[in-house]
Amino acid sequence: SQKIEQNSEALNIQEGKTATLTCNYTNYSPAYLQWYRQDPGRGPVFLLLIRENEKEKRKERLKVTFDTTLKQSLFHITASQPADSATYLCARAPGSSNTGKLIFGQGTTLQVKP
Amino acid sequence: DADVTQTPRNRITKTGKRIMLECSQTKGHDRMYWYRQDPGLGLRLIYYSFDVKDINKGEISDGYSVSRQAQAKFSLSLESAIPNQTALYFCATSATSGHNEQFFGPGTRLTVL
Repeated sequence: SQKIEQNSEALNIQEGKTATLTCNYTNYSPAYLQWYRQDPGRGPVFLLLIRENEKEKRKERLKVTFDTTLKQSLFHITASQPADSATYLCARAPGSSNTGKLIFGQGTTLQVKP
Repeated sequence: DADVTQTPRNRITKTGKRIMLECSQTKGHDRMYWYRQDPGLGLRLIYYSFDVKDINKGEISDGYSVSRQAQAKFSLSLESAIPNQTALYFCATSATSGHNEQFFGPGTRLTVL
């Protein structure tokens, strides 16, 4: 079965530093990977999508990479701020095509200290 | 106004009771989903529907049922609630086109005693 794994340990960094979160997947490369942000007690909010044929995607201070050799996506937040503190979820399409469903990782909690 | 709403937001019930969680959306999306979230386990798909006449089981459908009453409404039922169904439940929607970016409701916190 397709799996997606994120580091369950919380990531603590100092304000202004770059936060890097990791998402690893198994078996087939997905058609795309998505990243969501979730604040405590709230629903996840979509941030970025990266397709299989894209190496890198940027949006403001966010950058996502997709390495099909390592079966890994990295999510970077540059110049991090305390307001970036949240849990970040990675999600993949179940297979190599877009079937409409998503499989989510368990999320990594980021804490940015002032 | 929120695009995806869920009712109730919190519910405490007893073992054996029937519970219905409701979801409504104003995004005009055909696709709707029900997930549950447990600490350390992430989001797991319970049921999904790609249009009004389509219902599909997800990863953990046992003990749950759903009804798609209209394009905008998708309800989740627990016919006989048990304590291990205590969790945070989310409804989500997505458009048929695109890459399935999902839009989530605020969640329902369900406690089964």
